[in-house]
Amino acid sequence: DQQVKQNSPSLSVQEGRISILNCDYTNSMFDYFLWYKKYPAEGPTFLISISSIKDKNEDGRFTVFLNKSAKHLSLHIVPSQPGDSAVYFCAARNTGFQKLVFGTGTRLLVSP
Amino acid sequence: NAGVTQTPKFQVLKTGQSMTLQCAQDMNHNSMYWYRQDPGMGLRLIYYSASEGTTDKGEVPNGYNVSRLNKREFSLRLESAAPSQTSVYFCASSGLLGDNWVTGELFFGEGSRLTVL
Repeated sequence: DQQVKQNSPSLSVQEGRISILNCDYTNSMFDYFLWYKKYPAEGPTFLISISSIKDKNEDGRFTVFLNKSAKHLSLHIVPSQPGDSAVYFCAARNTGFQKLVFGTGTRLLVSP
Repeated sequence: NAGVTQTPKFQVLKTGQSMTLQCAQDMNHNSMYWYRQDPGMGLRLIYYSASEGTTDKGEVPNGYNVSRLNKREFSLRLESAAPSQTSVYFCASSGLLGDNWVTGELFFGEGSRLTVL
């Protein structure tokens, strides 16, 4: 049973526009959410995170929004750049547990 | 800094053969993990080790064994490889919760691509 879901396998946007990647979860015990970025032939790298006590966290061009009542989070990239083209994974962890549960990933393609 | 190092990067096995994937981290992290990545399935946890001397099953442990050799090293063994184990395997590490590690960030290696024929 997939506890973290990314329903869009792929997303294409033009350079300079906004990219919005979505993630849904089912486990109400998740208290921390992370986004990872993965380039081909490389390991995933941490991008941004948000605690369940917040509804927004911003880091430069990247903003993560959390809607706890809907069990939904999204990653906004503004403005999108070709170098942002990668697979993005949403991940979550339970209170007091270290292991992360990952979503299936969304492949973002930013075209010039 | 090397971070998390995995070997080998590529391996081709025949069904029934055995092999061990090696992982080492130089960040003095307590916890280590093995994930596999498959198309449409994302990253799934195979086994993890919260600290030296302990190991626990993740979501998909069947067909695998692990050894936490010391604080730095965590190996994954396939005793009798099957085509269903064709995948990209990632090792990761993290510090302790509450020990300058609030976010739960994992640091990943570059991956090991395994093909079982």
